[in-house]
Amino acid sequence: EAGVTQSPTHLIKTRGQQATLRCSPISGHTSVYWYQQALGLGLQFLLWYDEGEERNRGNFPPRFSGRQFPNYSSELNVNALELEDSALYLCASSGRTGTFYSNQPQHFGDGTRLSIL
Amino acid sequence: AQKVTQAQTEISVVEKEDVTLDCVYETRDTTYYLFWYKQPPSGELVFLIRRNSFDEQNEISGRYSWNFQKSTSSFNFTITASQVVDSAVYFCALSLDTGANSKLTFGKGITLSVRP
Repeated sequence: EAGVTQSPTHLIKTRGQQATLRCSPISGHTSVYWYQQALGLGLQFLLWYDEGEERNRGNFPPRFSGRQFPNYSSELNVNALELEDSALYLCASSGRTGTFYSNQPQHFGDGTRLSIL
Repeated sequence: AQKVTQAQTEISVVEKEDVTLDCVYETRDTTYYLFWYKQPPSGELVFLIRRNSFDEQNEISGRYSWNFQKSTSSFNFTITASQVVDSAVYFCALSLDTGANSKLTFGKGITLSVRP
């Protein structure tokens, strides 16, 4: 079974540009989560998509946005990039049993390392 | 709000030593899930275990064991006879059993170095 795949592995941008990160969940998983792992800040929840809808977002500005496609893959878009956006962006997917989203663990991809120059 | 505290930041042991990684959590909810993840130098987070708040049984998986104590809000992780391949950052995390709160709240992580 293929795991969560993320692309690209590395992305280098300059301040003010826009970045698009992509994630394909494990087959059968409908939920996709995005996390940011910045140096010194730990792992922080960014966004959660399920069944094509944004279900929850963390404490990040609106220039962090995304979407989930009908095949459950997801994109994270970061506009007007700032130096502090440099981080490892991790995508995770999970399935669910009935209405309980937390019944299944989240499985993570290898991440996209975004560097802002 | 939920909080996960991993007070140890870095631990260094010699191969074959036992090591315990501490995790303390805070939540007002009675239903929640606790997790441990391993992050090797390559960067991906590897799922190790999930525990729900109603199951306080300790769990053993090979050299790994977990001790969940609701009385002290702790979910500690012990590696027995550590190996160099155990070197990684270990994260403890918590999520609630409600849809909007199924996100993971992570601790800061513990960097474990196992020396040969």
